[in-house]
Amino acid sequence: NAGVTQTPKFRILKIGQSMTLQCTQDMNHNYMYWYRQDPGMGLKLIYYSVGAGITDKGEVPNGYNVSRSTTEDFPLRLELAAPSQTSVYFCASSYSSSGGNEQFFGPGTRLTVL
Amino acid sequence: EDKVVQSPLSLVVHEGDTVTLNCSYEVTNFRSLLWYKQEKKAPTFLFMLTSSGIEKKSGRLSSILDKKELFSILNITATQTGDSAVYLCAFPYGNKLVFGAGTILRVKS
Repeated sequence: NAGVTQTPKFRILKIGQSMTLQCTQDMNHNYMYWYRQDPGMGLKLIYYSVGAGITDKGEVPNGYNVSRSTTEDFPLRLELAAPSQTSVYFCASSYSSSGGNEQFFGPGTRLTVL
Repeated sequence: EDKVVQSPLSLVVHEGDTVTLNCSYEVTNFRSLLWYKQEKKAPTFLFMLTSSGIEKKSGRLSSILDKKELFSILNITATQTGDSAVYLCAFPYGNKLVFGAGTILRVKS
């Protein structure tokens, strides 16, 4: 199993550009999550999904969109990049609700918006 | 509002020292508390604690939960430079995990 994979690893965007961060898991996990982590800060949940076709907002959803058309994929979309979105983005998955199961994390995408 | 607070924010020790990291929480409908280690990349899972007073152990790392006093500790004995990382605690909130800000541990050789 590859686990949770993310692409790209690094990206530099100009203000106003858009991009999609890709996340794929091959563990047949129902739950998937997107976090951002700013320097020296903890993880903040952006969006999450409890299964294909179902998504919900986390703590910091503004400026982002997600979709979950398949169990495996959970892409995160930035429509109009802003400097405040400079961060490291982590995708994670778990078999069921995080109360009873650990979350598995991808390696992260480092995004810089200039 | 449910929250988790970690202390200290950062810590520098020498190899061989023992460290104790703290995580206190205020959580309604508590189910579990999780510890993660984050080096340069993604967090990796360490422990999940659900019952008070039962120590979880993995090598030199151990953790215990006190549901009465609402805190958990993570102990690392005989620290090594490879233990240098950010240690995160988190609790489930609905279908999500809420993370503390983390404790930055640096182990000097």
